[in-house]
Amino acid sequence: QKEVEQDPGPLSVPEGAIVSLNCTYSNSAFQYFMWYRQYSRKGPELLMYTYSSGNKEDGRFTAQVDKSSKYISLFIRDSQPSDSATYLCAMSGDAGGTSYGKLTFGQGTILTVHP
Amino acid sequence: KAGVTQTPRYLIKTRGQQVTLSCSPISGHRSVSWYQQTPGQGLQFLFEYFSETQRNKGNFPGRFSGRQFSNSRSEMNVSTLELGDSALYLCASSRVGNQPQHFGDGTRLSIL
Repeated sequence: QKEVEQDPGPLSVPEGAIVSLNCTYSNSAFQYFMWYRQYSRKGPELLMYTYSSGNKEDGRFTAQVDKSSKYISLFIRDSQPSDSATYLCAMSGDAGGTSYGKLTFGQGTILTVHP
Repeated sequence: KAGVTQTPRYLIKTRGQQVTLSCSPISGHRSVSWYQQTPGQGLQFLFEYFSETQRNKGNFPGRFSGRQFSNSRSEMNVSTLELGDSALYLCASSRVGNQPQHFGDGTRLSIL
């Protein structure tokens, strides 16, 4: 079983829809949670970064972390065709030992927003 | 502010050869991590360097190695290339190891 599970999709939605992306994880040592967006032929771009449980909002994006359920989500409001990309969740533990500089990623969800 | 720069963008090699990839981190970032991305395995952690020292290593064979220079620039080397080494190799930098990591656009390595 992978440490981080993410539904690969693909997910296709109409422009303006609310998109919900999710990851579950098994390692209770994870403390930092991130969402990245990756366009074709580009590297992952950091969208959201949160520590421990709670919500964080940035424009059209909202990240939620529920450590008790080992579940994280990313919501995209008013989705646009330019949001079409692969979305990756990533996690890490506190600095030290086998956590130094290591992000553990989900498989990524391919999202298409059609006009 | 310049982002993470990786060179070259594309490489074609044959089995048995070796290759060196380069990464220049964001100015002020001292931690550099390397990842391999493939369609089947996704993004997998290779290793992390901080102040010229490897602090962490993923589950890859010894053919994969790296180093970091005093200006935080990093290189990774793969020796005795195998067909399965074909992948996108990504470098990421951060101020310290567990702050948000920012990625370059990667080096696409193809093995013939």
